[in-house]
Amino acid sequence: ETGVTQSPTHLIKTRGQQVTLRCSSQSGHNTVSWYQQALGQGPQFIFQYYREEENGRGNFPPRFSGLQFPNYSSELNVNALELDDSALYLCASSSVANLAEAFFGQGTRLTVV
Amino acid sequence: GQQLNQSPQSMFIQEGEDVSMNCTSSSIFNTWLWYKQDPGEGPVLLIALYKAGELTSNGRLTAQFGITRKDSFLNISASIPSDVGIYFCAGRPDGGSNYKLTFGKGTLLTVNP
Repeated sequence: ETGVTQSPTHLIKTRGQQVTLRCSSQSGHNTVSWYQQALGQGPQFIFQYYREEENGRGNFPPRFSGLQFPNYSSELNVNALELDDSALYLCASSSVANLAEAFFGQGTRLTVV
Repeated sequence: GQQLNQSPQSMFIQEGEDVSMNCTSSSIFNTWLWYKQDPGEGPVLLIALYKAGELTSNGRLTAQFGITRKDSFLNISASIPSDVGIYFCAGRPDGGSNYKLTFGKGTLLTVNP
C-alpha cells in the first residue's frame, strides 16, 4: 500500500508568479484535502475534493484553486503569488468509509521571493 | 483561521519521564486526532478518538476524548529520544463544516538522553 506522495518537495517562486503542486492519494482513498502550514504554526485547511468537486473550503482567497482527477490524484494551484504564501503545503487523503482519519504526505516547501 | 488551544508550547524532559499535553476548543468536536511531525516531514497520525470519554492507547501513547467534547489530552509514558518532534492535536467540528480538520499550534517535545 503506497502512502500519500507530493511533488515537488521544494520550490522557489517569484512574487506574482503562479505555482502548481501535485499530490497522489494513498491507495483506496478518494478524498483529498490541502493544508497550508506556516513556520511555527499548525496546518490550516485550504479545501477538500471528493468526486472531482470541491466540497469544502477554508478561509483562503480564490487565487487558491484545485483539481481532483479520476484517479483521485490532485493539484493545488496558486496564482499571483505573495510573499506570505511561503509555507509548507500538505496534502491529506481519506477514504469515504472513514473520513475522520486524514493521512498526510511529506509536503511541498514553497518559498516566494 | 481558527486554531485549537494546545499546551504546553514546548517541553524539555529527561529520557524515561512521562509527558502530558492537552488541547481545548471553544466549540464541540466530534473527532479528535493526535499527530506527530518531524522536521521537513508531514504529520503522522498517532491516535484517533471518536466518542466523548473514549480512552485509546497506541503503545506508550494514551489519548482521551474529553467528556465535554471540547478537549483532549495525550500522554506519553517512559519517553525515549525518538519521541522528539512536534505533536499536534486536531479536531473535526460538529455540524456542517466537519469536512475540515482544525489544528492546534503544536507542542515541541525535546527528550534529553
